[in-house]
Amino acid sequence: AQKITQTQPGMFVQEKEAVTLDCTYDTSDPSYGLFWYKQPSSGEMIFLIYQGSYDQQNATEGRYSLNFQKARKSANLVISASQLGDSAMYFCAMREWIQGAQKLVFGQGTRLTINP
Amino acid sequence: GAGVSQSPSNKVTEKGKDVELRCDPISGHTALYWYRQSLGQGLEFLIYFQGNSAPDKSGLPSDRFSAERTGGSVSTLTIQRTQQEDSAVYLCASSDGLAGGEDTQYFGPGTRLTVL
Repeated sequence: AQKITQTQPGMFVQEKEAVTLDCTYDTSDPSYGLFWYKQPSSGEMIFLIYQGSYDQQNATEGRYSLNFQKARKSANLVISASQLGDSAMYFCAMREWIQGAQKLVFGQGTRLTINP
Repeated sequence: GAGVSQSPSNKVTEKGKDVELRCDPISGHTALYWYRQSLGQGLEFLIYFQGNSAPDKSGLPSDRFSAERTGGSVSTLTIQRTQQEDSAVYLCASSDGLAGGEDTQYFGPGTRLTVL
């Protein structure tokens, strides 16, 4: 069963607009962590934001915020005032423990293109 | 401080040869991870180290793959008798390994492996 679903393969947004990247997840573990990473064309995975399952507030980091809806099992990334440098692949990931090993399970990613 | 480093950045090899990929984690990080990113498979988890031990090696794609970590620091991923399907970007990440916290994984720039 797919654990992380990102339903938008690609998105095109005008510069300075806000953009929401969708992510839904599936887990039966009451304690989990959700992450968003950005991967520009250079290839490096850059950590953006984290949300813990027990966190009372939605996470925010500068222009990034996470719209966490636990009952719906969704953790959408919101980027405010988009910039040309935001063009990249964005991955949603969930941390899980399997047989004593911790790992991240990634979605398929969303390619975001910011148009001038 | 210095981030995760990986070497080589690019490796081209002939089918059947052995390759070694190296990862140097962030200083003080006790947890280290290897992932593989390919067009067909997305991002897949390979192996996790806590200190020098890997509790679960079932994520390694075949017995041609092995990994070790010495001194709680540098890790090497070895692929024996490389096949064309091993062509991918191999990503290493490290985290502080502390239970109960974010334990965010920070990624290196990756090694792009091409098997001819």
